[in-house]
Amino acid sequence: NAGVTQTPKFRVLKTGQSMTLLCAQDMNHEYMYWYRQDPGMGLRLIHYSVGEGTTAKGEVPDGYNVSRLKKQNFLLGLESAAPSQTSVYFCASSYSSRDRRLDTQYFGPGTRLTVL
Amino acid sequence: DQQVKQNSPSLSVQEGRISILNCDYTNSMFDYFLWYKKYPAEGPTFLISISSIKDKNEDGRFTVFLNKSAKHLSLHIVPSQPGDSAVYFCAASEGGTSYGKLTFGQGTILTVHP
Repeated sequence: NAGVTQTPKFRVLKTGQSMTLLCAQDMNHEYMYWYRQDPGMGLRLIHYSVGEGTTAKGEVPDGYNVSRLKKQNFLLGLESAAPSQTSVYFCASSYSSRDRRLDTQYFGPGTRLTVL
Repeated sequence: DQQVKQNSPSLSVQEGRISILNCDYTNSMFDYFLWYKKYPAEGPTFLISISSIKDKNEDGRFTVFLNKSAKHLSLHIVPSQPGDSAVYFCAASEGGTSYGKLTFGQGTILTVHP
């Protein structure tokens, strides 16, 4: 049981390049999330998904696209990378339930992205 | 507009003493609060949570207190251990259509000295 995994762990891009970050979870969770963490800003929600085939915008969605074609995978795409997207990206997943104790989100180890 | 704030960027405590981490929020629709712990080069891990219908929740050395009238919550760690040294994030969520979405504070770096 690997939990939440993220690929790649590190990446350096040049301005204008594109890339896709992959998140996979093996806990059969309904909900999945993409966050970015910047110094002094905490974690900010980029996009999220409440089930296979559905996605929604979070707090800072501009410049990113996502897809949830399979329940266990959530992809984050940068079509034209900018230096402002230099950050650490975390994926998370959680159950869907009326029991709020199951609001707990499980995080992956992160992807450190640098855009030059 | 930061809806969840951790105003202390860092906290230094001696081993065996109490660590108190604070968090304030502004959104009165938040009804569930969580604390996460993060070590360097790892993702955050869940520590403890509290529903807005309670004012205290305890789990071993960790206790979270919620003061709804002040829109304030705190995490107490007693006794503190060097392995507790990490970044601590408080987070909040609201029910209804925002179900499952968390709003995080900026984080507080806790250092526990032996």
